[in-house]
Formats: sequence, structure tokens, C-alpha cells
Amino acid sequence: RKEVEQDPGPFNVPEGATVAFNCTYSNSASQSFFWYRQDCRKEPKLLMSVYSSGNEDGRFTAQLNRASQYISLLIRDSKLSDSATYLCVVNLAQDMRFGAGTRLTVKP
Amino acid sequence: NAGVTQTPKFRVLKTGQSMTLLCAQDMNHEYMYWYRQDPGMGLRLIHYSVGEGTTAKGEVPDGYNVSRLKKQNFLLGLESAAPSQTSVYFCASSPGTWGTPLHFGNGTRLTVT
Repeated sequence: RKEVEQDPGPFNVPEGATVAFNCTYSNSASQSFFWYRQDCRKEPKLLMSVYSSGNEDGRFTAQLNRASQYISLLIRDSKLSDSATYLCVVNLAQDMRFGAGTRLTVKP
Repeated sequence: NAGVTQTPKFRVLKTGQSMTLLCAQDMNHEYMYWYRQDPGMGLRLIHYSVGEGTTAKGEVPDGYNVSRLKKQNFLLGLESAAPSQTSVYFCASSPGTWGTPLHFGNGTRLTVT
């Protein structure tokens, strides 16, 4: 089993739609969690950290469920510019492990 | 402030050749990482370092060596390149304290023929 698993996607949605990404991790001792965004042929960039109580940044909401070892990202009112691959990242002690990513395409 | 800089940006090697990828960061970060990214595989950790003079293996270390002689630099070496090492390589750094994210370089596209 992979340490970090994400929805395989791809997701194709119209502008204005709400889209949710899910991620599970295998090691219950994992300490911190992030969502990154990666545009085609570019480096990953931090979208947001994920806190135990859940957190929101504008149209983006992240949730963490430690009991189920599950992380989610919700994008509301999606924009064309949200088209990218979304990567779930889990930090265990000294290393950071990435999910394979879920590709999102927002269409007019 | 350059952040994380990788050199070279592109390289083509023949099977059996060797090369070194350089990663430099100017943020005084303790931790540095090398990842490779292949289609459908996401980023996989090759090696990482938690401080000057220390290195550790990640998920896919075979065929690679690393060195961290100076805090700001993390070198990734391929002693005898193989076509399976064709990939995009990303270097990243972080302060290392709990909850701090990674800062990435722009990547190196390596093709081994």
C-alpha cells in the first residue's frame, strides 16, 4: 500500500462548480499535512497547510480526520485558473511524502 | 532572494555516463530533499538531508548518491546513468521545524538515452 493515496482523477468541471479532493495516508504517526498545486511542467507550490481543526482560505477549505487518516480539499466556485494538479503531502518525522496527484480541469 | 536554485535545467546523457545535479538554497534551511517525478507516479523521495554533513535514503535511492558538504548545497549524483533515470528532478528545502512546508527549485529535466 502506498503511504499517501489520492483520488486518481482527472476531474473535469465547469466554472463555478464545487470540487473535492480526497487523500488517505497509511502512517498514523504522521505529523503535518499540506496541499500543493502543480501547474504543467512547473514545480509544486504550497496551496495551504492542513490543521486539525480544519482551515479555510478564500474559496479553499482543508479538513483533516486523524482517526480515519484522511485529508480533504474543497474548492468552491472554481475558476479557469484553478486548473492544475493538486498534490497531497504528508510529513512524518524528517521526510515529506507526496500523493500521485489529482488533475483538475475547469472548463468555461 | 533566489530561494532554491537547481542547475542544470536540462540535460541529455548517454547510458553509463555520470553527472551531478546541484541544488543551492539561500534561506538558511536545515533540511533539503531530492525528488523525482514521473508521469502518473507523483513525486518520489530519493534522498534527503537534515543538516550539513548528514544524508538519508528516501523511497527510491538506488542508483543515486548525495552529499551535503555545505549547508546551502545538496548534490545529487548519478554514477552510471540508466534510461530508467529519465525523469524530472526537483530539489526542495525547509526550515525543518514542525509544520513548515517545502520550497522547491524549478526542476531539472534529465533524459538518458
